[in-house]
Amino acid sequence: QVQLVQSGAEVKKPGASVKVPCKTSGYTFTSYYIHWVRQAPGQGLEWMGVINPSGGSTNFAQKFQGRVTMTRDTSTSTVYMELSSLRSEDTAVYYCARVRSSSWYEAFDYWGQGTLVTVSS
Amino acid sequence: EIVLTQSPGTLSLSPGDRATLSCRASQSVSSNSLAWYQQKPGQAPRLLIYAASSRATGIPDRFSGSGSGRDFTLTISRLEPEDFAVYSCQQHGGSPPTFGQGTKVEFK
Repeated sequence: QVQLVQSGAEVKKPGASVKVPCKTSGYTFTSYYIHWVRQAPGQGLEWMGVINPSGGSTNFAQKFQGRVTMTRDTSTSTVYMELSSLRSEDTAVYYCARVRSSSWYEAFDYWGQGTLVTVSS
Repeated sequence: EIVLTQSPGTLSLSPGDRATLSCRASQSVSSNSLAWYQQKPGQAPRLLIYAASSRATGIPDRFSGSGSGRDFTLTISRLEPEDFAVYSCQQHGGSPPTFGQGTKVEFK
């Protein structure tokens, strides 16, 4: 069965970076784009960007340009999201999500369980 | 960027009631690429509807989606106890994908 498994909660200081893995299984890794979405406490969902696991190309929300990096490791079927220069407003649950079909922009049919990143001095 | 506005913010209903949730886009959504998700506290979102009216795998038929252009609706025909949650719409027709702020369906 399709699974996206993320790492546990992280606590970071302002100005630091966080790298969140999303290990996938149960399907052909290179056939489906992976998106990252975050949710601040009590808030709605916010799209951050997308990576093509096949070639590694990416597209990011303008808000995160210059601060976010998305990479993948095809040998372990894992994608990574790294966010730098963290500030308190980045405190949120970060989700990876797989698209429903082989298109950049599609609905997300499988989600990771989420990783809580807390930014605090 | 397409802004999605959901209404109402909160819907207070009882089990067995019909729930009607609205999602309005600031501009026409390409190819009716509109999805609905259900989210319960501490859980990841769950895909209910994609392409405005297609049910995702395993979703009960009491959930239905409709609409086109700028106006979309999620209907839950008869609420079950497990349906009390937050529902969010998302347009996935192009970049950037955007989400509505959510509608909470709570016990009356």
